[in-house]
Amino acid sequence: DAGVTQSPTHLIKTRGQQVTLRCSPKSGHDTVSWYQQALGQGPQFIFQYYEEEERQRGNFPDRFSGHQFPNYSSELNVNALLLGDSALYLCASSFYRVHYGYTFGSGTRLTVV
Amino acid sequence: GENVEQHPSTLSVQEGDSAVIKCTYSDSASNYFPWYKQELGKRPQLIIDIRSNVGEKKDQRIAVTLNKTAKHFSLHITETQPEDSAVYFCAAIPGGSASKIIFGSGTRLSIRP
Repeated sequence: DAGVTQSPTHLIKTRGQQVTLRCSPKSGHDTVSWYQQALGQGPQFIFQYYEEEERQRGNFPDRFSGHQFPNYSSELNVNALLLGDSALYLCASSFYRVHYGYTFGSGTRLTVV
Repeated sequence: GENVEQHPSTLSVQEGDSAVIKCTYSDSASNYFPWYKQELGKRPQLIIDIRSNVGEKKDQRIAVTLNKTAKHFSLHITETQPEDSAVYFCAAIPGGSASKIIFGSGTRLSIRP
């Protein structure tokens, strides 16, 4: 399957803990963006990675950090988890030079208790 | 700042009738407008998109219109079917290299049998 894959699918963490989510982009894509989707809301942009650098960032605190590897896969790290961090985290891959053709993964459902 | 407003938040229509969802964007640089359908617990799926140099686009029962002067765009679904029930998100993307997707808040569409 050459689509976007995310792992894990579900995760339960305790307040104050740290979490790492992973994303493998669609074959051929070079850019990975992360979105947070709280229940009943639209996805909110967290940040975007291209050439292993953060290129854009949304209005999220420094507790949210990321990384992109040479094979274009990416990680999203969240430190000092809060109850409000509970959400569906979506990864989208694309080509950096075009602003369409985004492909979303199925997401990771994070529950903070 | 960048913002996309979407109305209505919920919409219930009789099977076979038409459904219309309206969105307004704020960033004049936006030139690509995708629409996503998201079923419960699944990833957003692109159903149709339109670029700023086009006023209308149709794909079978789905059509999208864009009024760039007024910064309005709308989704029209005709001859609605039970499988059209889902949450629909409009979005706007500024031009240039891969950029963040600004999502609307979503419309929960229910098709009554």
